[in-house]
Amino acid sequence: AQSVSQHNHHVILSEAASLELGCNYSYGGTVNLFWYVQYPGQHLQLLLKYFSGDPLVKGIKGFEAEFIKSKFSFNLRKPSVQWSDTAEYFCAVNPYGQNFVFGPGTRLSVLP
Amino acid sequence: EADIYQTPRYLVIGTGKKITLECSQTMGHDKMYWYQQDPGMELHLIHYSYGVNSTEKGDLSSESTVSRIRTEHFPLTLESARPSHTSQYLCATVPGGTGNTIYFGEGSWLTVV
Repeated sequence: AQSVSQHNHHVILSEAASLELGCNYSYGGTVNLFWYVQYPGQHLQLLLKYFSGDPLVKGIKGFEAEFIKSKFSFNLRKPSVQWSDTAEYFCAVNPYGQNFVFGPGTRLSVLP
Repeated sequence: EADIYQTPRYLVIGTGKKITLECSQTMGHDKMYWYQQDPGMELHLIHYSYGVNSTEKGDLSSESTVSRIRTEHFPLTLESARPSHTSQYLCATVPGGTGNTIYFGEGSWLTVV
């Protein structure tokens, strides 16, 4: 069965620290890849997405992600986090012609 | 951005009551979904629809039912609510075709007492 795993359940960082959230998926065919963010009390919002082309994609609020096909990975990065980045982050995979599959989420807590 | 409206946003009801969670979208997206999400936990797909008169069950078994009589409307119904149904229910849409983004509504928080 297709699955998406995220390496960390809860990450705690201080402001200005660098962030990397891991995401791996198990699907051998063509996939579109996404990172979504859910701020406290808000709905899920798209951070960034990869469909094709340059494997390094940039999203909103200074986030970026790198698609490494050989590793089935799509890790999310940010050079310097802010307190306002505190949220739940979900990696998602959309295999071609199929429904989205979401990872279990990583909670990020940024300490001021 | 897709405009997805979910009502009610918050609901507390007694065991055994029938409830319908409403989801409407204004963008004419073909595909609509219902996810169940407990606080801080992963999303579970419980129902989806690829168009009018098309509904399917998702990966997580659910006692709820859905209907898709109009493109813009995808209500979810629980005939007899139980405390185990307490959760957040998220409605989402995807435009037709492949290679598209999924858009989410703000969710409906259901508490069954």
